[in-house]
Amino acid sequence: GAVVSQHPSWVICKSGTSVKIECRSLDFQATTMFWYRQFPKQSLMLMATSNEGSKATYEQGVEKDKFLINHASLTLSTLTVTSAHPEDSSFYICSARDIAAGYNEQFFGPGTRLTVL
Amino acid sequence: GQNIDQPTEMTATEGAIVQINCTYQTSGFNGLFWYQQHAGEAPTFLSYNVLDGLEEKGRFSSFLSRSKGYSYLLLKELQMKDSASYLCAVMDSNYQLIWGAGTKLIIKP
Repeated sequence: GAVVSQHPSWVICKSGTSVKIECRSLDFQATTMFWYRQFPKQSLMLMATSNEGSKATYEQGVEKDKFLINHASLTLSTLTVTSAHPEDSSFYICSARDIAAGYNEQFFGPGTRLTVL
Repeated sequence: GQNIDQPTEMTATEGAIVQINCTYQTSGFNGLFWYQQHAGEAPTFLSYNVLDGLEEKGRFSSFLSRSKGYSYLLLKELQMKDSASYLCAVMDSNYQLIWGAGTKLIIKP
């Protein structure tokens, strides 16, 4: 089946530093990847939609200069949280759409837990 | 606006049956998904309904009524490992997933 990996699984960083999270589709090609954020006891919140070879589409209220997304290939998208602050501490999850399976298939990575001190 | 409603929390007994309801109002409809999410983990896919009716998959079944904007997830023969949050999500006309807040299911022995 379709597998999506994320790296790192968890990260602790100091306030003001930048953190890069990778999302890879391991056994399929994904033209579109999605980045979500989930705070404790809340539902998933879509941050942005990442399309291979083009700029990401950000949801309202998400700062594109703070959350940099790069989707350089059909199997890799990266999310960089720039100048992280404690309020950015959250569970970040990516998902990928399998081209071959059509629009209605979306597979999730295991998530990255970010803690900003 | 777009809206997905599901109960915040439910409690059930091991071995029993539980039904988790989901109602939705979205701009367009390209299917409804149910995901299971254990604490601290990413969601895992359970079911997908795009036509009216019941889809059965082992102990789990999912029902959809598009005219009523309603779905439910039915879990049979509950096991302790079924304790998790269950997320209802609707794919809208732009093929974006609109998420419910999730239903935390607590299974008691």
